[in-house]
Amino acid sequence: DAGVIQSPRHEVTEMGQEVTLRCKPISGHDYLFWYRQTMMRGLELLIYFNNNVPIDDSGMPEDRFSAKMPNASFSTLKIQPSEPRDSAVYFCASSSGQGKSRTEAFFGQGTRLTVV
Amino acid sequence: RKEVEQDPGPFNVPEGATVAFNCTYSNSASQSFFWYRQDCRKEPKLLMSVYSSGNEDGRFTAQLNRASQYISLLIRDSKLSDSATYLCVVSPILTGGGNKLTFGTGTQLKVEL
Repeated sequence: DAGVIQSPRHEVTEMGQEVTLRCKPISGHDYLFWYRQTMMRGLELLIYFNNNVPIDDSGMPEDRFSAKMPNASFSTLKIQPSEPRDSAVYFCASSSGQGKSRTEAFFGQGTRLTVV
Repeated sequence: RKEVEQDPGPFNVPEGATVAFNCTYSNSASQSFFWYRQDCRKEPKLLMSVYSSGNEDGRFTAQLNRASQYISLLIRDSKLSDSATYLCVVSPILTGGGNKLTFGTGTQLKVEL
């Protein structure tokens, strides 16, 4: 299995531009998570999906952020318009619930976003 | 107050040393506990789950104290390759199974010759 695949790996954009981050979860996983990591705040959960349905988006910082999961094999995180304070590493992770109390979350390699 | 608190370190230890990391969590509803490892500029990866009875995986031992809301990780005979950031993670159990992970900011370990 190729694992969780994120693209692009690096993105540099100008303030005000739209940014779209992409994620392909591991096949068969029913949960997909978007995290943001910064030095100051560490790893923060932005939103998660279960069976392609957004369940909890309380971590999305503001309306400039939106996420979609049109099917089980693809999700996007969009920032419009982008601001310098959005600069961070964005991770996508997937896991399989299967009624278990402990499941491993598999992370993609992340997208390093720089907004100038 | 952050939901999961960790000493950021860095912990600089010589090869072969024993080192312990601690973490406290504030949400008493947390039901599952983990330690993840993150290498520099890489993604986090599961190191081990943490069980109430304590559990061991080779040189690594994890303990959980639910009453004190405290989690620990002990690394014995540390290796150069153990150098990384160790993330304390807590989670509820989601409907249908699975976990929604809340991460501490991590403790950095540097093992030196």
